[in-house]
Amino acid sequence: GENVEQHPSTLSVQEGDSAVIKCTYSDSASNYFPWYKQELGKRPQLIIDIRSNVGEKKDQRIAVTLNKTAKHFSLHITETQPEDSAVYFCAAYNAGNMLTFGGGTRLMVKP
Amino acid sequence: DGGITQSPKYLFRKEGQNVTLSCEQNLNHDAMYWYRQDPGQGLRLIYYSQIVNDFQKGDIAEGYSVSREKKESFPLTVTSAQKNPTAFYLCASTLTSGFYNEQFFGPGTRLTVL
Repeated sequence: GENVEQHPSTLSVQEGDSAVIKCTYSDSASNYFPWYKQELGKRPQLIIDIRSNVGEKKDQRIAVTLNKTAKHFSLHITETQPEDSAVYFCAAYNAGNMLTFGGGTRLMVKP
Repeated sequence: DGGITQSPKYLFRKEGQNVTLSCEQNLNHDAMYWYRQDPGQGLRLIYYSQIVNDFQKGDIAEGYSVSREKKESFPLTVTSAQKNPTAFYLCASTLTSGFYNEQFFGPGTRLTVL
């Protein structure tokens, strides 16, 4: 089955700096890669996603890149703000509507 | 707030008790999922169902049971066989048509064993 690894597990940045979270996946058949943000005690919510036929996608301060050959994808947050502090999960989606999640990254943005 | 509801928000279980967590969705989604989240950990799949009256085990199904009698509902029972059930339980749902389908999550149930 699919295996998704996520790094780092914790990330601390100063407000205004950039943050990068990286994920690798094992199943070359995976074709959709969402990123979820989870605030403490809340449900995960989709913040951005990328499909396998696209190399990069951007939405305001958030961008995601995908390298299918290397089977890795990354989340980039620019101009971080304290409200970006949360746990971020990457995931890989393959045939059968199954999502496999990475272990999560706790991002702390220091004001 | 998303169309997926879970109840109760908090649940306390005594040793040896079975408890049932509710998950309902009004999004007309075909597939529903149960995940377990432990503190500081990722989401692990317990059970999933892609159609009424059918469900499959996920990675950590031991000690849990589910039913899918209606499209809208996918309750999870935590049995006494689950030795360490204290965790945050998340239900999710998605369409199965199309190629890229976002999973929508419910607000979660926090289960504590007394």
